[in-house]
Amino acid sequence: GENVEQHPSTLSVQEGDSAVIKCTYSDSASNYFPWYKQELGKRPQLIIDIRSNVGEKKDQRIAVTLNKTAKHFSLHITETQPEDSAVYFCAFNQAGTALIFGKGTTLSVSS
Amino acid sequence: NAGVMQNPRHLVRRRGQEARLRCSPMKGHSHVYWYRQLPEEGLKFMVYLQKENIIDESGMPKERFSAEFPKEGPSILRIQQVVRGDSAAYFCASSPRDRTGGYTFGSGTRLTVV
Repeated sequence: GENVEQHPSTLSVQEGDSAVIKCTYSDSASNYFPWYKQELGKRPQLIIDIRSNVGEKKDQRIAVTLNKTAKHFSLHITETQPEDSAVYFCAFNQAGTALIFGKGTTLSVSS
Repeated sequence: NAGVMQNPRHLVRRRGQEARLRCSPMKGHSHVYWYRQLPEEGLKFMVYLQKENIIDESGMPKERFSAEFPKEGPSILRIQQVVRGDSAAYFCASSPRDRTGGYTFGSGTRLTVV
């Protein structure tokens, strides 16, 4: 079946540093790539998404880039803050199919 | 808008009992997805349903697990004869259409089998 590899599995940064999480997917027909944030004991929440007709998208301190040729996409968080500490999941799908999620990256931001 | 409602939040079952997990999608959403999450693992897809139809159940175990989304009422994920390995968080998500788009997740049901 379709799958996505997500790296790194854990990431520790100092407050104010940048964090980058990368995902590689298998299905070249995929055209939707969201990122979810899950705090401990909470539900996953959509933080940003990108579609295949766009190479980069920004929303304040977070950005996502997509390279369809290489079949990978990345989440960039700048000026990290302690409240960014959470598990981040990438996902992908194509129209009419369910999202497939990566295994997650645990981000720890220390002050 | 109440969001995606899941109940119960916590469910304890003895081995061999049945577990029934409920999910009411957001108002106006007609597509429901169930995912299972084990500690330190990602969200594993189980089943995708529309009203009265199972669209994709490729992630469902072949035995003991079933799901439905009736014309009236919530979607139900049913696990018969639970075993300890069924202990996990089960999340439901909904979306307003069947083409690509972001999902809204419920708060999950944490099933513990003792």
